[in-house]
Amino acid sequence: KAGVTQTPRYLIKTRGQQVTLSCSPISGHRSVSWYQQTPGQGLQFLFEYFSETQRNKGNFPGRFSGRQFSNSRSEMNVSTLELGDSALYLCASRRWGRDEKLFFGSGTQLSVL
Amino acid sequence: DQQVKQNSPSLSVQEGRISILNCDYTNSMFDYFLWYKKYPAEGPTFLISISSIKDKNEDGRFTVFLNKSAKHLSLHIVPSQPGDSAVYFCAASLKTGTASKLTFGTGTRLQVTL
Repeated sequence: KAGVTQTPRYLIKTRGQQVTLSCSPISGHRSVSWYQQTPGQGLQFLFEYFSETQRNKGNFPGRFSGRQFSNSRSEMNVSTLELGDSALYLCASRRWGRDEKLFFGSGTQLSVL
Repeated sequence: DQQVKQNSPSLSVQEGRISILNCDYTNSMFDYFLWYKKYPAEGPTFLISISSIKDKNEDGRFTVFLNKSAKHLSLHIVPSQPGDSAVYFCAASLKTGTASKLTFGTGTRLQVTL
């Protein structure tokens, strides 16, 4: 069974640009969550999607947005990039319901110059 | 406001000995706790979890203890092996209906030495 797939693996952008990250969940998993990992801050929750609807949201500015498609694949978009957005962005999928176990992808390392 | 705290950024343990990783939380509404392990250049992988109605859960060499009155949980690894060297994150879950989000600690880097 294929794991969670994130593309691209690495990305370099400059301030003010926008970026789109992609995530394909494990087959059969209908929930996709996004997390940001920075040194010293651990993993911070961005949002969770299920059935193409955002079900939960973390404390990030509106520059961070996402969407989910009918095949459960998800994209995350960050507009007007700032230096502080440099981080590892992790996508995780799970079956919907009480099963809390998240399966993470390897992440997209975003560097903003 | 860091609701889940791992106060030890790093820990070094000899192979064969016990590793104890600690985690404290502030929100008494958390009802499910998990530990994840992360190797460099990989995403976190699930290790073990515990519901708030239990105080202990075991899985092979890994045991998680939960002390709700102290808002503290710990992960014990016995015996520690070199392959256990990784960053360990504890996480706590707060349900909102069927949606959920995990609040993670900042991680503890475990090094198991020979």
